[in-house]
Amino acid sequence: KAGVTQTPRYLIKTRGQQVTLSCSPISGHRSVSWYQQTPGQGLQFLFEYFSETQRNKGNFPGRFSGRQFSNSRSEMNVSTLELGDSALYLCASSPRTGERSYGYTFGSGTRLTVV
Amino acid sequence: GENVEQHPSTLSVQEGDSAVIKCTYSDSASNYFPWYKQELGKRPQLIIDIRSNVGEKKDQRIAVTLNKTAKHFSLHITETQPEDSAVYFCAANPSGTYKYIFGTGTRLKVLA
Repeated sequence: KAGVTQTPRYLIKTRGQQVTLSCSPISGHRSVSWYQQTPGQGLQFLFEYFSETQRNKGNFPGRFSGRQFSNSRSEMNVSTLELGDSALYLCASSPRTGERSYGYTFGSGTRLTVV
Repeated sequence: GENVEQHPSTLSVQEGDSAVIKCTYSDSASNYFPWYKQELGKRPQLIIDIRSNVGEKKDQRIAVTLNKTAKHFSLHITETQPEDSAVYFCAANPSGTYKYIFGTGTRLKVLA
């Protein structure tokens, strides 16, 4: 069974540019979450999608957005990049549908460097 | 707000000894508590989890305990091995939400 696939693995962007990251969850998983991982802040929740609907959003500025497609693949977009956006962006797939929680399977992440 | 505190930030143990990592959560309605292991340069991987209706769960050398009254949960690793060296993260899922709040991580070093 294929795992969670994130593309690209590495990105270098210039301040002010925008970027789109992609995530394909485990087949059958409809819940996709995104986290930002930095050495100083740890793992910070960005948003969660289920069946093309955003169910939760973290405390990030509006420059961070996402969406989910009907095949459960998800993208996140960051506009007007800032140096502080440099981080590892992790996508997590879960079989969760309703109230009952389950553990995540994480992708390998996209390492974004803003210069 | 929702918060998870994790201690210690670093932990060094001799091979064969036990290691204990502790987390405290703020939202008393949290109902699910997973633990993740992240080796250098790799993705976090789920190693064990516990739900709020259970006090303890064990899987071979790893166990997790939950004290709902005190709002804390702990990871116990017995007979540590060099391959246990990694960063360990605890997390809590506040009830009614679809997000996990992660602790800041514990870097465990097992000395051979």
